[in-house]
Amino acid sequence: AQTVTQSQPEMSVQEAETVTLSCTYDTSESDYYLFWYKQPPSRQMILVIRQEAYKQQNATENRFSVNFQKAAKSFSLKISDSQLGDAAMYFCAYRGYNTDKLIFGTGTRLQVFP
Amino acid sequence: DVKVTQSSRYLVKRTGEKVFLECVQDMDHENMFWYRQDPGLGLRLIYFSYDVKMKEKGDIPEGYSVSREKKERFSLILESASTNQTSMYLCASSFRIRRDGNQPQHFGDGTRLSIL
Repeated sequence: AQTVTQSQPEMSVQEAETVTLSCTYDTSESDYYLFWYKQPPSRQMILVIRQEAYKQQNATENRFSVNFQKAAKSFSLKISDSQLGDAAMYFCAYRGYNTDKLIFGTGTRLQVFP
Repeated sequence: DVKVTQSSRYLVKRTGEKVFLECVQDMDHENMFWYRQDPGLGLRLIYFSYDVKMKEKGDIPEGYSVSREKKERFSLILESASTNQTSMYLCASSFRIRRDGNQPQHFGDGTRLSIL
């Protein structure tokens, strides 16, 4: 069975600095999808960024980018120029190629200090 | 924009009560999901529905049931609520992967349920 591990329960960063959140996963599949979701305090969970395993190029969305290392089964999220609004729980998620279900990690709480 | 609406943000019920959590989506998504979110455990899938009247058990279905009579609505039912079901419940929806495997799930605001 696939698993997703987020080894950092909490992280903190100074405003305008860069922070990297770690995610590793275990799978025997060769094709799959990876996602990072953000859940601000008392607000809706939203998609931050997504990556197809067959694409070698790392996905980017404005200040958010991933470092996807397929061989190492690693999918870290880098947030550049951190803002106070980036403070949230961040969840890494995996979806196999032929399934509709997501497998989530346990989350990383990110604090941003002014 | 996709809208997933959960009927209550906060709910307080008593042990033994039958509890209904409702979720409605407006994007004609085939898939709907119910998750439970607990600190340190992430999101765990309770039930999944891929069509009207169709359902699949997730990782933690015990003590729960679901109903999907209409495509846009997915209900989670706690048959006899217990204190260990106190949690945050999240509903999500998505297209089936045959349309576009990269489609994300879209989430509601969540219902924080307390069982006393």
